[in-house]
Amino acid sequence: KAGVTQTPRYLIKTRGQQVTLSCSPISGHRSVSWYQQTPGQGLQFLFEYFSETQRNKGNFPGRFSGRQFSNSRSEMNVSTLELGDSALYLCASSMTAAYEQYFGPGTRLTVT
Amino acid sequence: AQSVTQLGSHVSVSEGALVLLRCNYSSSVPPYLFWYVQYPNQGLQLLLKYTSAATLVKGINGFEAEFKKSETSFHLTKPSAHMSDAAEYFCPLGGSQGNLIFGKGTKLSVKP
Repeated sequence: KAGVTQTPRYLIKTRGQQVTLSCSPISGHRSVSWYQQTPGQGLQFLFEYFSETQRNKGNFPGRFSGRQFSNSRSEMNVSTLELGDSALYLCASSMTAAYEQYFGPGTRLTVT
Repeated sequence: AQSVTQLGSHVSVSEGALVLLRCNYSSSVPPYLFWYVQYPNQGLQLLLKYTSAATLVKGINGFEAEFKKSETSFHLTKPSAHMSDAAEYFCPLGGSQGNLIFGKGTKLSVKP
């Protein structure tokens, strides 16, 4: 089975712009979670989608949003980018509940 | 509140020596615990998981972890370190929202 894929792998944006990241889960997995990883804050949960519905959300501002499509692929969007949004964004998929998650390689976002 | 504490942000061992990475958790409900490994510029790879079936859990690449409820610990061990084990290790807890709650991680260095 193919693993979780994320595109793009690297992205450079300017403050104030917006960005969309994409995640394709493992075939058959219906739950997709997003995490932000930074040196200072570590790994933090953004949100989780299951069957196109956001089930859970972490403590991030409304500039961070996401969605899930009928084929379970997910996108996350960050609007009005700030320097502090520079991070590795990781997507993870699982069969049903959000436990035992399988991670993609991440998208490295740099905001200048 | 649920939380994870990984003792030691950096651990250094010699090749062939025992690897011991410490993880303590706090949870008011029976925990789901995991160990993941992250190599530079990559996503997280699942090493093993604890879901109450057995207290000694064997994972991939020769790693194992023992769940000790009385000590609220889930330490990771490997009898003999290999150079390829150098990476960052995380032991997240399955959160009540279905997300993974991460500690700060432990970077393992292996000396030749």
